[in-house]
Formats: sequence, C-alpha cells, structure tokens
Amino acid sequence: DTEVTQTPKHLVMGMTNKKSLKCEQHMGHRAMYWYKQKAKKPPELMFVYSYEKLSINESVPSRFSPECPNSSLLNLHLHALQPEDSALYLCASSHNTGGSIGDTQYFGPGTRLTVL
Amino acid sequence: QKEVEQNSGPLSVPEGAIASLNCTYSDRVSQSFFWYRQYSGKSPELIMSIYSNGDKEDGRFTAQLNKASQYVSLLIRDSQPSDSATYLCAVPRSGNTPLVFGKGTRLSVIA
Repeated sequence: DTEVTQTPKHLVMGMTNKKSLKCEQHMGHRAMYWYKQKAKKPPELMFVYSYEKLSINESVPSRFSPECPNSSLLNLHLHALQPEDSALYLCASSHNTGGSIGDTQYFGPGTRLTVL
Repeated sequence: QKEVEQNSGPLSVPEGAIASLNCTYSDRVSQSFFWYRQYSGKSPELIMSIYSNGDKEDGRFTAQLNKASQYVSLLIRDSQPSDSATYLCAVPRSGNTPLVFGKGTRLSVIA
C-alpha cells in the first residue's frame, strides 16, 4: 500500500482566516514533504521533515507553518495568506530522504486551496 | 544552468504510436531517476524509476538511462488517449536531499 491521504480536498479561505491542511501515511515512512504547485508548473518544494524534525525549509514565508506531531502525520498551518498563495498543496512521503530508488516519494491527492 | 530540463510540449502522437519523452539533468552524481505522470488537477503518480544505465521495461513503459550523457527518457508504446497527461522527470539533488522536478512534458494522444 502506497497511500498518502490529505484533507481537506478543497479549501476556500479569506486572508484573515487560520486553517490547517492535514496529511497522513501509514507506510512507516520517516520522511514527509510539503509541495506547492501552481497551474502548469512543476511541484515546488516547501518543507521536508525527516524523523519528525524539520530538515529543509525552502525559505517559505512564515504565514505557512508546518508541524509533524508524529511519524505518520504532517500538518500545514495557514494564517494571513495572500491570493497568490492559491494553489494545489501536495504532501508526499518516502522511506528516507536519501534519494535512492528505495526513497521513492509517493504523493497524496492534494488540497486545492483558494484564498479570497 | 537548470538542474532538470524537459521539453514542455505539447507532444502530440496518434493512438497506437510510440511517445518519446526526454529529460536531461545537470548533477553528475545523481544515482536514481523518476518519472511521474500527472493528470490535470490531480497529484503526481509514480510510473517508473531507474538507477542503472540501459533500459527498464514495465508493461507499455520503458525508461532509458544514459549517465554519461546525463539523459533519461521514457517511451510509451501503443499510446492510448488515457496516456494524455503531463509527465514529470524528477532527480534527487546530490546528497541527502529531495527531488528536483523538470517542468514536465504535456503529452496528447490523439484518437
């Protein structure tokens, strides 16, 4: 089973709202990722967690706040977003971050975020 | 120099033909390579991975890797309209870091 789940599927929020995106995997993977994808662009890495610790932050604005409560869960807390933050937010997981074939990344279905 | 390059397309092929998708990468130490398929509005789905020079076949899909030329390709035989999607080439950065994606090639299979 290579399933990564994400909730919600769709989210519409105002610029003053606070919301959270959730991601879950039960494959025993120790690396989890958040990507942002705009239309007709490739996924753009935001954050990487390795063994529940933040290992990479790709200079993402502080209005995006990741959290990894345990090895199976990954959250992305959103606050004071801008309309240009509207995008598909993808969660992925892999066994580790080594980049070998054994560290293949599997993506969840994504959350389509619209910021009004 | 961009790290992973793909022709953005669109690449149009007739149903039943072979579709050939190409990708070049700049990091010579890259060891493994991934092809993802992404339908419009959906998330990327892994279809092939390869780490050895040569060909790797899986059903109608064949991945080809040439590390000396820093080139990886994906062939889709007997293309079907359901293969119409964007194909993303992904390569890990050197060291203990995650994937770098190419911009993707949009494939259109015409019935």
